[in-house]
Amino acid sequence: GAVVSQHPSWVICKSGTSVKIECRSLDFQATTMFWYRQFPKQSLMLMATSNEGSKATYEQGVEKDKFLINHASLTLSTLTVTSAHPEDSSFYICSASLSSPPYNEQFFGPGTRLTVL
Amino acid sequence: AQRVTQPEKLLSVFKGAPVELKCNYSYSGSPELFWYVQYSRQRLQLLLRHISRESIKGFTADLNKGETSFHLKKPFAQEEDSAMYYCALMTTDSWGKLQFGAGTQVVVTP
Repeated sequence: GAVVSQHPSWVICKSGTSVKIECRSLDFQATTMFWYRQFPKQSLMLMATSNEGSKATYEQGVEKDKFLINHASLTLSTLTVTSAHPEDSSFYICSASLSSPPYNEQFFGPGTRLTVL
Repeated sequence: AQRVTQPEKLLSVFKGAPVELKCNYSYSGSPELFWYVQYSRQRLQLLLRHISRESIKGFTADLNKGETSFHLKKPFAQEEDSAMYYCALMTTDSWGKLQFGAGTQVVVTP
């Protein structure tokens, strides 16, 4: 099956620093990747849609200058949390859509636990 | 606005008993509906989607457009079914985006 990886799996950083999270589709090409945020015991909240070679589309209420997304290739999207603060601590999950049928199936990464001190 | 409602946060059932997870959606167009499952310490994975009409791991779900529901059912729950289950909606104009329900935690006890 299609595999999506995320790196790192967890990260602890100081307030004010930036953190980059990578999302890779290992065995397929993904023109579209999605970034979600999940709070403890809550559902996934879509943050943004990342399209290869173009600007990401952010959901309402998500600060695009704070959560920088780059989708430089068909197998890699990155999310950079800039000037992180404790309220940014969360579980960040990415998913990738196949470029070939079934187009709209999303494959999820294992998630990245971010803790901002 | 589109919405996915999973009214039960927690379902506790005995092994061998039937289990039904409710999912209702609000969308005026033709929806695509999915059930995703997240086992403990594992990533989210697709369980089934309504257009394939498959039965996966003994689970089935039927789209009822009249009742705008997509309930997930299994006649005989197993301990390995203990997990978090999410219902998700994709609309024709969402460009592949999924909207998730709040999720239902299923605990199957022996």
